[in-house]
Amino acid sequence: DAGVTQSPTHLIKTRGQQVTLRCSPKSGHDTVSWYQQALGQGPQFIFQYYEEEERQRGNFPDRFSGHQFPNYSSELNVNALLLGDSALYLCASSYALAESSGNTIYFGEGSWLTVV
Amino acid sequence: DAKTTQPPSMDCAEGRAANLPCNHSTISGNEYVYWYRQIHSQGPQYIIHGLKNNETNEMASLIITEDRKSSTLILPHATLRDTAVYYCIVRVFYGGATNKLIFGTGTLLAVQP
Repeated sequence: DAGVTQSPTHLIKTRGQQVTLRCSPKSGHDTVSWYQQALGQGPQFIFQYYEEEERQRGNFPDRFSGHQFPNYSSELNVNALLLGDSALYLCASSYALAESSGNTIYFGEGSWLTVV
Repeated sequence: DAKTTQPPSMDCAEGRAANLPCNHSTISGNEYVYWYRQIHSQGPQYIIHGLKNNETNEMASLIITEDRKSSTLILPHATLRDTAVYYCIVRVFYGGATNKLIFGTGTLLAVQP
């Protein structure tokens, strides 16, 4: 059973360009969240997708957008890249629960984005 | 937004128990405590989680104080491969299934031979 898979693993972009990162959740998981981890810091929540809708968003500008497809996979898009967007972008997946409850959330290995 | 505080680094001798503390004094009643670790900036690896009761699995034990304002992650017999950054995390719920993880700054655990 494949876990959370992300692509690409590494990429380099120029300031002002746009980037798309992809995530396939663990088999059967229907909820996908994205996190940004700058060097030396803990991951920061960007947004969460469930039923193809953005359900919750962290403190990130509108340049960050996403999408979830019917097969639960997801994309993260970042427009007008800035040097400060250089980071490890992590995708996390889990089952949605009808009630607030604890379950295991699985992370992918991440996509390293360098903006030059 | 920060919900947890952790010491920046700790050392532990190989074979001994590693006890990693975490303060989460502003945690709400329905918010869970999670622990993950990260090695060489790979993806975070799940360790354990709990709400009120102490929890144990094959990797670790989680001890949560009765007032839920702090917790301790215990690795019973640390090995060199346990050297990593350990994150104490609060999972916040917004109604239904919507939720997010709030990471702390992490503790770098160095297991010494």
